[in-house]
Amino acid sequence: GENVEQHPSTLSVQEGDSAVIKCTYSDSASNYFPWYKQELGKGPQLIIDIRSNVGEKKDQRIAVTLNKTAKHFSLHITETQPEDSAVYFCAVGEVRFGAGTRLTVKP
Amino acid sequence: EAQVTQNPRYLITVTGKKLTVTCSQNMNHEYMSWYRQDPGLGLRQIYYSMNVEVTDKGDVPEGYKVSRKEKRNFPLILESPSPNQTSLYFCASSWGDPTFSGNTIYFGEGSWLTVV
Repeated sequence: GENVEQHPSTLSVQEGDSAVIKCTYSDSASNYFPWYKQELGKGPQLIIDIRSNVGEKKDQRIAVTLNKTAKHFSLHITETQPEDSAVYFCAVGEVRFGAGTRLTVKP
Repeated sequence: EAQVTQNPRYLITVTGKKLTVTCSQNMNHEYMSWYRQDPGLGLRQIYYSMNVEVTDKGDVPEGYKVSRKEKRNFPLILESPSPNQTSLYFCASSWGDPTFSGNTIYFGEGSWLTVV
């Protein structure tokens, strides 16, 4: 089955810096790559997604890039703020999730 | 307000005592699923349902049952809970099969289950 690896498992940045989280996958047939944010005590919430016919997608301070040849995709958060602190999950399709990255943004 | 509602949110139970975690969505979604979340493992799918009376196993179905008698409800049943089922459980729903089409999945707020 599909194998999704997510790195790093924890990430600490200073407010205003950028944060990058990367995921790699194994099934070259995959064509949908969402990212979720999970705040404490809540369920995951979709923040951005990308399909295989697109290389990059942006939404304000967040962006996702996809390299289908190398089978990896990344979440980029610029100008981080304390409220960005959460656990972030990548997924391939909607049933294969990475292990999660705990992002801490220090004021 | 569009939402997925799970109950109970927190439960401590004993080994072998049957329990049911209910899940209800108010968005008329066809697709519903259950996940468990464990440290270092992310979310793993337990069961899913494409529509009423249609259910299928996910990656970790052992020890669980589900039913889909109505479109809005998708309960998760643990017939004989064991300590290794201690976990955080999430119910989710979407319009259709999200595997390839990219229909947005909506998650419930989670149910913390401890089996002692």
